[in-house]
Amino acid sequence: GAGVSQSPSNKVTEKGKDVELRCDPISGHTALYWYRQSLGQGLEFLIYFQGNSAPDKSGLPSDRFSAERTGGSVSTLTIQRTQQEDSAVYLCASMAGYEQFFGPGTRLTVL
Amino acid sequence: EDQVTQSPEALRLQEGESSSLNCSYTVSGLRGLFWYRQDPGKGPEFLFTLYSAGEEKEKERLKATLTKKESFLHITAPKPEDSATYLCAVQASYGKLTFGQGTILTVHP
Repeated sequence: GAGVSQSPSNKVTEKGKDVELRCDPISGHTALYWYRQSLGQGLEFLIYFQGNSAPDKSGLPSDRFSAERTGGSVSTLTIQRTQQEDSAVYLCASMAGYEQFFGPGTRLTVL
Repeated sequence: EDQVTQSPEALRLQEGESSSLNCSYTVSGLRGLFWYRQDPGKGPEFLFTLYSAGEEKEKERLKATLTKKESFLHITAPKPEDSATYLCAVQASYGKLTFGQGTILTVHP
């Protein structure tokens, strides 16, 4: 399995709880991106990692959202005190050259 | 600010009926224009990257073209299995993609 993997595939949580979403990029890809896709909306950029640093966090909707990347590989997106408007599919992509390869996404539902 | 507009929002075709999807864009410093296919419940699947005006790429029944303001995805003699959402995105600077809203293509047998 050489593709981008994400876990969990589905997450249902209650409003106010914290959630962690995980992304395993393709081995050797140094650039990693998080996007969000809400129902009826296009993909929305959240954050970009180069190695373990995040030069662009401009897409994070609020300070409840944070992300980290360790060892230049796995990345975790954390949403604190979830709200119903956070419900969406969260997609991770890693990049080689100019091409971004996407994972299957995590569908987050906040009740 | 980079912007991408796709049209139509939805397209219904009969099998074998060729058509085109449009992607209009404004971007400062285009590094590439991307087309992806997305099936329900899955992540986007890479189709093409175009880098400069006049460039064309083909894959099976799909052909992508690029001008300085827009890109077209031409679908020749589509089959039902071509039904999906087709996404266009532009890439500037370090790689961040700005996506359009997508075109939902349905091909009827």
